[in-house]
Amino acid sequence: NAGVTQTPKFRVLKTGQSMTLLCAQDMNHEYMYWYRQDPGMGLRLIHYSVGEGTTAKGEVPDGYNVSRLKKQNFLLGLESAAPSQTSVYFCASSPGRTENEKLFFGSGTQLSVL
Amino acid sequence: GQNIDQPTEMTATEGAIVQINCTYQTSGFNGLFWYQQHAGEAPTFLSYNVLDGLEEKGRFSSFLSRSKGYSYLLLKELQMKDSASYLCAPMDSNYQLIWGAGTKLIIKP
Repeated sequence: NAGVTQTPKFRVLKTGQSMTLLCAQDMNHEYMYWYRQDPGMGLRLIHYSVGEGTTAKGEVPDGYNVSRLKKQNFLLGLESAAPSQTSVYFCASSPGRTENEKLFFGSGTQLSVL
Repeated sequence: GQNIDQPTEMTATEGAIVQINCTYQTSGFNGLFWYQQHAGEAPTFLSYNVLDGLEEKGRFSSFLSRSKGYSYLLLKELQMKDSASYLCAPMDSNYQLIWGAGTKLIIKP
């Protein structure tokens, strides 16, 4: 079992470039999430999905888009990267979203926007 | 607003005991999670509390007081591998996790 797999692990972009991060999970989880983690701050939810074909905005959705065409995959896109989007991005999944459902995280992507 | 407060950094000695505190204010409450995150790695689940009291799991225990908006993570018999950040995350009434900035725990020999 691979769990949650994110690609790539590192990426450097120039301001204005676009890119897509791929998250894949093999646990048949319904819920998937994209977070960003910045120094001195808690994880912040960008977008999430409650099932195939659905997406919803989180706390900091501006500048990002997502798609969940297949249950196992959740893509995060940046259409026009900005230096403020330099961060570590984590994908996560969970079976549901009830009170005791823990999250399973991918290994993260370090993104630098120059 | 929703707010999580935990110390930024703590230092402890190998073999000792350390308590990491977390106070929170959330819109509703559906339990509180603790995650461990080693530098450069993803967070991993440690514990979940929804009722008041202490939950023990090996060397790690987690305590919750809902009336005080307070939780702590207790680590016993500290090992060097326990050097990591510890993230407190209560869940609000919408089942949304509210993440603290984390406590970086440094273990010294």
